[in-house]
Amino acid sequence: KAGVTQTPRYLIKTRGQQVTLSCSPISGHRSVSWYQQTPGQGLQFLFEYFSETQRNKGNFPGRFSGRQFSNSRSEMNVSTLELGDSALYLCASSHRTGAADYGYTFGSGTRLTVV
Amino acid sequence: AQSVTQLGSHVSVSEGALVLLRCNYSSSVPPYLFWYVQYPNQGLQLLLKYTSAATLVKGINGFEAEFKKSETSFHLTKPSAHMSDAAEYFCAVNPGLRGSQGNLIFGKGTKLSVKP
Repeated sequence: KAGVTQTPRYLIKTRGQQVTLSCSPISGHRSVSWYQQTPGQGLQFLFEYFSETQRNKGNFPGRFSGRQFSNSRSEMNVSTLELGDSALYLCASSHRTGAADYGYTFGSGTRLTVV
Repeated sequence: AQSVTQLGSHVSVSEGALVLLRCNYSSSVPPYLFWYVQYPNQGLQLLLKYTSAATLVKGINGFEAEFKKSETSFHLTKPSAHMSDAAEYFCAVNPGLRGSQGNLIFGKGTKLSVKP
């Protein structure tokens, strides 16, 4: 069964631009979470979507947004990019929200570089 | 607030030696705890999870972890290190009651090096 697919794998953007990252969860999974990974801050939770609704949000500015479609695919958007947004963005999917007992399956991530 | 502390950002062992990666958590509710591994340029792979069943949890690739409530610890061990174990390891906690939240709080990670 296919895993969590994130596209693109690598992106280079210029400061001030915006970017959209995509995540396709495992078939049947309805919960999608996003994390930002940087050397300085480590892994930080961005937000979680379940059945097209944002269920939980981390402590990030409003420039970071996301959405989920009816087929459970999710996108996250970062507007007005800053150098500090350079990071590996990871998507994780699970059967349902609050699904710690089932666990979360992560994709390989999108490496965003802001220049 | 829940948090996770991983002691030692880098651990180096010889091939065949015991691997011990330390994780302490703070949680106001019974926690769900996880260990993930990340290889270079990859996402996170679940090694094992504690969800309040047995306190000794066995995972993939020969790893296991023991939940010790009195010590608020969930250390990861492997009896004999292999070169392929070289990676970064993350301990994580789910902040909700019995894993009710849809997110994880991660430790800073421990990079494991394995010497031949």
